[in-house]
Formats: sequence, structure tokens, C-alpha cells
Amino acid sequence: EDQVTQSPEALRLQEGESSSLNCSYTVSGLRGLFWYRQDPGKGPEFLFTLYSAGEEKEKERLKATLTKKESFLHITAPKPEDSATYLCAVQAESGGSEKLVFGKGTKLTVNP
Amino acid sequence: GAVVSQHPSWVICKSGTSVKIECRSLDFQATTMFWYRQFPKQSLMLMATSNEGSKATYEQGVEKDKFLINHASLTLSTLTVTSAHPEDSSFYICSATKYGGTYEQYFGPGTRLTVT
Repeated sequence: EDQVTQSPEALRLQEGESSSLNCSYTVSGLRGLFWYRQDPGKGPEFLFTLYSAGEEKEKERLKATLTKKESFLHITAPKPEDSATYLCAVQAESGGSEKLVFGKGTKLTVNP
Repeated sequence: GAVVSQHPSWVICKSGTSVKIECRSLDFQATTMFWYRQFPKQSLMLMATSNEGSKATYEQGVEKDKFLINHASLTLSTLTVTSAHPEDSSFYICSATKYGGTYEQYFGPGTRLTVT
């Protein structure tokens, strides 16, 4: 069974204090790993897709990396507006399904 | 862009009535649309996957007669919660993948359903 585990569950940072969020996964053949941001009461907002180990993608203060077992979302010099829940999801190659398996998310709070 | 809308954004209904939620891809054609529900402080749970013109595929444990999905066009899918009960109260979110695109799912803003 495909599984995604995110850690920590919650993270509090001071503005400017860089850190990383972890997403560990087990999947029978990875088609893609996806990072989303979700604000309270809203739908997830797409951030990145990573397809193979060693791949990295950046967007503003966020950088996502991928290994064969886990992905990291690095946040550099975060601002209060980066506060949100960050979700990681995997999509398996097998079965032809496009379904995503989500982790439970990391709730990030950035204090000014 | 890849904008997905949902309507309504919130709805309150009485127990035993039916509620329809619309999901539209506004600036792209959607190969596949997905319906999720999310309970407070929990992650998204996939309910069903639908492709235009064909029957939806429901996840194990989801009652297909209770949660009716219609995917009438490449830009519109609807979820009807039939004979709603208080335990159906939840946050329902749809997503869509782009026709001819890669595998990213683009999510709508969600619909908050409260059944009294």
C-alpha cells in the first residue's frame, strides 16, 4: 500500500528562520511527488511536481528536493505570509490511476 | 493558468434533502476530475475519480448511490449528496488534471456542507 508520512506535524518559526519539512514515502513505482500549500478553509494550491531522485525545484523562498525515499521542502527566510499547511502527495505508476495519496500535512506558523 | 471553481462555497441543508455541488475548470479542459472530502485537521480523502462521459470510479467505502457524480463535459463535474445526514457534513473539494498536460491536480476552493 502506498503511504506518505510528513514531519513534523506542526512547526513554528520566527520570521527569517529557515527550516525544512520532510515527506517520507513508500510507493510501488513513483510517477510523481507533489507539494501543495493549503490555507484554512481553502483548497490546496499547487506548488511543485518532482519526478525523479535528485530533482530540485524552486519558487521564491521554497525549494523542493527528492530522493528515492523522501522529499524535503526547504523554506528560506520565511515570512508570516508563508504560514499554511503544506501537503505532500505521491502518485504511483501502477494501475493507470491518477489518484494522489496525501500525507497529513505540516502546519507551518511563521511569527513576525 | 489553471483555475478551478466550485459552487456553492458553502451550503446548509436539512437532513434528508439532496445537495448538488458544481466543479468547473475555467481556463482549461479537464481530462479527469476528482472529488475529495476533508474533515477538520485531517488530510484529503479521495472519494471518486471521474472522466468525461463515463461512470465515476469510487474509492472503497464510498457509497456510490449516496454520492452521485456526473461529468457531463470537459469543464464540468457535479457531486450530488443524496438524502444527506449530519455525518455527511464536511469540506468537499474537487480537483482536475489538464487535458494534454502532466499529472498535476489543480484544486477548487472547496465547498463547506453543513447538514442540520
